Parts: sequence; structure tokens; C-alpha cells
Amino acid sequence: GESVGLHLPTLSVQEGDNSIINCAYSNSASDYFIWYKQESGKGPQFIIDIRSNMDKRQGQRVTVLLNKTVKHLSLQIAATQPGDSAVYFCAETVLNTGFQKLVFGTGTRLLVSP
Amino acid sequence: EAGVTQFPSHSVIEKGQTVTLRCDPISGHDNLYWYRRVMGKEIKFLLHFVKESKQDESGMPNNRFLAERTGGTYSTLKVQPAELEDSGVYFCASSYGGGSTEAFFGQGTRLTVV
Repeated sequence: GESVGLHLPTLSVQEGDNSIINCAYSNSASDYFIWYKQESGKGPQFIIDIRSNMDKRQGQRVTVLLNKTVKHLSLQIAATQPGDSAVYFCAETVLNTGFQKLVFGTGTRLLVSP
Repeated sequence: EAGVTQFPSHSVIEKGQTVTLRCDPISGHDNLYWYRRVMGKEIKFLLHFVKESKQDESGMPNNRFLAERTGGTYSTLKVQPAELEDSGVYFCASSYGGGSTEAFFGQGTRLTVV
């Protein structure tokens, strides 16, 4: 069946370091991937997405890498700040006329120490 | 512009009771989704509305769950009768449609069944 998994449940970094959060997916048909950030008491917040016809996409301080050969997705956060502390989820879906049925991973908690 | 809002933010009910969760999507968003996260596990898809029609309810766990979206605006998710395993955080999300790929999540309703 479909599954999206994460290698590490918790990642602790120092402020200013770069963070890398990894994710594995199993559905070869997935063509759209999203990273979400969830802070305590809030819902998942969109960070960055990537389509399967790309292998890298950059945003502000964040980069998503997609390796379709090994079905691996990663989120890189540059110069991590205390405000980046949250749970990060990867999600995958098969796009179909704007419809999104997201399959989420279990989440990685990022802890940033000052 | 108001985001996706969910009511209540927390609910504690006894096993066997009925609870109704409400979601108000972003105005103009045709697509409305319900997801839930059981403690320690991944966020899982429950169902998807396009306007007032159920597009996909493959994630609904059983017939104790009933979702409605009368008039294509807000949606309710009723659990009757509630069981202990229904405890978790229920998220609602909405998206514009017409090829839009970004879904916006509400803050969630934390349901505790005791």
C-alpha cells in the first residue's frame, strides 16, 4: 500500500546550523510532494512543494530535493533559527484536476537550540 | 482574509457520546478535506468534498463517522457513538480548485474520548 516514512523522529540542531530532514515514499505514481511545518496548537503550514518533473526547488532558506530513483525526499533549512522548531511532515499525492489526497509521513520534530 | 477555522478547538467526551466538529473553509474554496492524526501516527486522509458533493470518502474509518457539507460552504464531521480510538486531532483543509495545488489547513480540533 501507500506509505510515506521518515528516517528520524527527532532532529536537534544548533541555531545557525543547516538542517536536513529526510523522507522516503513508496508510491511510484506520486507526482507532487509537499513539506509542511506544524507548530504547537496550529495546523500544518505549507512550506515548499515540488513536482516529479523536478529534482530540486529552492525557497527562502529552504530547499527540497527529490530523488525519484530511490524515492527519497529531503528538506534542507539553511541557517536554522529557533523559530524553525516544529514538527515537519512530508506528504505525497497524485495530482488530478486540482484534487489533493495527501499521504503524510509520521513527522520529524526539529529542535533548535540557541 | 480569514483562514480555515475549526470549532471547537478541544472536545472531551465520554465513550458512546456524540460529537460534531465544524470546519469553515476559506471563502471561495470549492475543495474541502478532512484529515485526522491519531496520537503518534501520521496524518491520514478521511474524505474530500467538491462543493457539496463527496468526491472521495475512502479514508472514513467506519459508519460511525458522518460528514456533510450542505450548501457547499462549511462542513461538519459527526462521530456517533464515539469510541476511545477516535481520539486524536482532526484537521480540515481547503483549496481553491481549478488546478490549484495548495491546501490550507485549519488549526485542528483535538478530540479526547474517555
